[in-house]
Amino acid sequence: DAGVIQSPRHEVTEMGQEVTLRCKPISGHNSLFWYRQTMMRGLELLIYFNNNVPIDDSGMPEDRFSAKMPNASFSTLKIQPSEPRDSAVYFCASSPREAGVWTGELFFGEGSRLTVL
Amino acid sequence: KQEVTQIPAALSVPEGENLVLNCSFTDSAIYNLQWFRQDPGKGLTSLLLIQSSQREQTSGRLNASLDKSSGRSTLYIAASQPGDSATYLCAVGPGADGLTFGKGTHLIIQP
Repeated sequence: DAGVIQSPRHEVTEMGQEVTLRCKPISGHNSLFWYRQTMMRGLELLIYFNNNVPIDDSGMPEDRFSAKMPNASFSTLKIQPSEPRDSAVYFCASSPREAGVWTGELFFGEGSRLTVL
Repeated sequence: KQEVTQIPAALSVPEGENLVLNCSFTDSAIYNLQWFRQDPGKGLTSLLLIQSSQREQTSGRLNASLDKSSGRSTLYIAASQPGDSATYLCAVGPGADGLTFGKGTHLIIQP
């Protein structure tokens, strides 16, 4: 299996521009998570999906952030408009369920490093 | 709200030493605990997953223990090697908000 695939790996943009980050989870995994990592705050959960349905988006910092999962093999995280304080590494992770129960084991992508100037 | 603390934040030891990384959590009602490794500029790689009913897990030179009642876990690395240099993160869950991560221990193994 190719693992969780994220794109782009690096993105540099100017304040006010729209940013779209993409994620392809591991095939067969039912849960998908978006995390943000910064030096100051560590890893923070932004939103997660079960069977393509958003379950908890309380970690999304502002209305400028939105996430979608139109099907089981694709998710996007969008920031519009972007601000310098959004600069961070954004990780996507997926997780399997066994007999309908979430195992809690996460498999991470390589991350998308975002720099907003 | 669950909080996870990792001590020490950074550690530098000579090659060949055995070492222990510590993780503590405030809410003992966890489903499992997972240790990850993160190399610079890379994603997180799962090392060991301990279910709440288990006391420890082993993989090669790594051994992780779990004491739910005291809210503690340790990651033991035997005969450390320079290739073990990385940041090690502990995460507990899943809860209503998924896994909760500590801020990690940055480990350097001196050749």
